[in-house]
Parts: sequence; C-alpha cells; structure tokens
Amino acid sequence: KAGVTQTPRYLIKTRGQQVTLSCSPISGHRSVSWYQQTPGQGLQFLFEYFSETQRNKGNFPGRFSGRQFSNSRSEMNVSTLELGDSALYLCASSKDGIYEQYFGPGTRLTVT
Amino acid sequence: AQTVTQSQPEMSVQEAETVTLSCTYDTSESNYYLFWYKQPPSRQMILVIRQEAYKQQNATENRFSVNFQKAAKSFSLKISDSQLGDTAMYFCAFEETSGSRLTFGEGTQLTVNP
Repeated sequence: KAGVTQTPRYLIKTRGQQVTLSCSPISGHRSVSWYQQTPGQGLQFLFEYFSETQRNKGNFPGRFSGRQFSNSRSEMNVSTLELGDSALYLCASSKDGIYEQYFGPGTRLTVT
Repeated sequence: AQTVTQSQPEMSVQEAETVTLSCTYDTSESNYYLFWYKQPPSRQMILVIRQEAYKQQNATENRFSVNFQKAAKSFSLKISDSQLGDTAMYFCAFEETSGSRLTFGEGTQLTVNP
C-alpha cells in the first residue's frame, strides 16, 4: 500500500507571495492533518480535515487555510508569506482521525 | 490544554547497549493515547510504538518498549540492543481519544555510536 505523499518536496518563495502544498493520504484514509515543524517552535498542529470538512484547527493565523477533496487529497494554502513561515510542513493521514497517524515526507518551504 | 515535555534534548548510546528516553505529559483527561515517533535525518516521521491509557500493560514492539506510569504522567521509551539505524530525533506525542490532533514534545536527538 502506498504511503502518504506530499508535493512539492521543496519550495522557495518570496515574502508576500502565496503557496499551495498538496498531500495524498494512504488509500482508504479519510482524515488528513497538517503540522508545521520549525527548530524554534517544534511540531505544531495546523488543522485536520475529515470527509471534506475541517474538524479541528490549531492556533495559526487565518493566512493558513486548507481544504480536502472528495478523494481525501488535501491542500493547504499560505497567503502573504512571511519569513517566519519557513518550515517543514508535514501531513499525516489516518482512517478516521483517531489513533495512528502516518506521516508523509514533508514539504520544505523557504521564504526569502 | 495538554503539554508534553521531553527533558533530554540529546542522548548518545553505544551500539548494542540499552537507552531510555524520558517523556512526561500533563492532561486532565482520563483516557488518551500516547506515541513515540522517530524522525531519522532528512527522512520522514515513523511511528515507533503506541500506548492506550486505559491499558495497564506496557506496549512492546521488538526492541522498543515503554514504561507507562499513568499516575505520574510519565511515558518513557526503552530501546534495547541499540543499532546505528536507531540514530534519529525521537518525539513523544499525546492524543485525546476524540482524536485528530497530536501534541508533540520538543524531541530527543539520539545518536548511536559504533
């Protein structure tokens, strides 16, 4: 069974631009969660989508948004990028959002 | 809000020896899940072991085992017969039974020396 995939793997953007990251969950998984990983703040929960609905949200500004499609693939969008948005963005999938979550390789975003 | 604390930023161990990584957490919930994840250098996060809080028996997965002390809110990971491939950042994580959100500790960088 294929694992969680994320595209692109690396991204360089300029301050003020916007970016869209994509995550394809494991087949049969309906929940996708997003996390931001930085050296200073560690791993922080962004949001979770289940059956195309945002079910849980972390403490991030409204510039961070996401959506989920009917095939469970998810995208997250960051608008008006700031230097502090430079991070590894991880997505994780699970069958129903409870218990085991399986992580993708991440997208490394660099904002210059 | 739940918090997870890993008090050992870095640890090292000789190959074939045993090492224990510490984790404490704070919650008012009576039932929850605890996990240890491993993140090797430049590689993706892998689930190492899981524990349900309602189970008194400590979880074991091959060379990995946990010491779960619910009253003390402690959840340590023991790695036996350490291997070079165990070198990684290890994260302790907490999840409510309602699911969907993992709260992570700061991580412990483990280095296994030959």
